[in-house]
Amino acid sequence: DQQVKQNSPSLSVQEGRISILNCDYTNSMFDYFLWYKKYPAEGPTFLISISSIKDKNEDGRFTVFLNKSAKHLSLHIVPSQPGDSAVYFCAASTLQGGSEKLVFGKGMKLTVNP
Amino acid sequence: DGGITQSPKYLFRKEGQNVTLSCEQNLNHDAMYWYRQDPGQGLRLIYYSQIVNDFQKGDIAEGYSVSREKKESFPLTVTSAQKNPTAFYLCASIGTRGTKHTIYFGEGSWLTVV
Repeated sequence: DQQVKQNSPSLSVQEGRISILNCDYTNSMFDYFLWYKKYPAEGPTFLISISSIKDKNEDGRFTVFLNKSAKHLSLHIVPSQPGDSAVYFCAASTLQGGSEKLVFGKGMKLTVNP
Repeated sequence: DGGITQSPKYLFRKEGQNVTLSCEQNLNHDAMYWYRQDPGQGLRLIYYSQIVNDFQKGDIAEGYSVSREKKESFPLTVTSAQKNPTAFYLCASIGTRGTKHTIYFGEGSWLTVV
């Protein structure tokens, strides 16, 4: 049972344009959401997070939008740069039994073409 | 500088052997996690721990064991009962929940069964 879903395995955009990465979740108990970027054979790098009490969080070129009613979040990258090419993971967390459980989606490969 | 250190980066194991992957953090984080990554599977949660001497099974705990004797350390043992152990393993930690929710990952450990 996959609680965090990234339904599109890949996305290709032109440099300078907007990249929109989508993520859906099923567990309404999730209260923190995070996006990570990962290069091959490296650990993921944290990008941006959002609490469930907010609907938008912005950090430089990265903006995350949260739609709780739809259980959907998205990451916008504007403008996209070739260095943004990587696999992006969406993650969600919830406190469960006193511990924080963190669950990831399968990832989405973003390619930004020069 | 604070961070998470995983070792070894590459490990070969013979079938029937147990191996232990090390994860150490000097960030004073409470929560620590072990994930496994396989092609097309994203990051799957093996075990997680919120405090010393306590840990919970994740989604794919069978064939693995952990301990949390110290706050800084969360070693993962891949036992001979794990039927398909060849994978990329990632350790992560999270500080106390707050307004800035950031997670740190180690660089990962490649385990190959020969």
